[in-house]
Amino acid sequence: QKEVEQNSGPLSVPEGAIASLNCTYSDRVSQSFFWYRQYSGKSPELIMSIYSNGDKEDGRFTAQLNKASQYVSLLIRDSQPSDSATYLCAVLNYNDMRFGAGTRLTVKP
Amino acid sequence: DTGVSQDPRHKITKRGQNVTFRCDPISEHNRLYWYRQTLGQGPEFLTYFQNEAQLEKSRLLSDRFSAERPKGSFSTLEIQRTEQGDSAMYLCASSYQAGTGDETQYFGPGTRLLVL
Repeated sequence: QKEVEQNSGPLSVPEGAIASLNCTYSDRVSQSFFWYRQYSGKSPELIMSIYSNGDKEDGRFTAQLNKASQYVSLLIRDSQPSDSATYLCAVLNYNDMRFGAGTRLTVKP
Repeated sequence: DTGVSQDPRHKITKRGQNVTFRCDPISEHNRLYWYRQTLGQGPEFLTYFQNEAQLEKSRLLSDRFSAERPKGSFSTLEIQRTEQGDSAMYLCASSYQAGTGDETQYFGPGTRLLVL
């Protein structure tokens, strides 16, 4: 079992729709959780971080964390073609950051 | 630009040659990380520094790889006797670790290595 698992996709949604990205992790003591966006050939850029159970909203993005289920998700509302990218889930346990393989999202105009 | 910078952005080398990459972190950040990323995968941790001390190295980091951060500022990653399997994007990230558990890593643009 991989330590951080994501659906590889591709996930395709129409412009204006909600995109839902999911991630599960195996280490129960993980403390911090991050979503990064990575455009093809570029480096990851931080979208959101979340540390406590529940929802955290930032503009069109909402991160959801459920530590009991070891599950973290990212919702993108009003998806735009510019949101088309690979979304990486990252889980931090003390000094050890583990990344999922990423979910490729395509937003179709 | 006050973000993380890396140099060079691209490197093509022949198998068996040595290469060195540089990373300049965000100035107030005390932690610096090196990752390797191959196509279709997420970044894989290689090593990290707290100031000038190298605190952890991944099992992925063979003895051909060495990293330094001599004055707690910039860092270098050297790969000796490169192999074709070393071809990847090498990413540097930095963060400020204040002991609060909030540690966001910010990535540089990466160095793309191709070993022929």
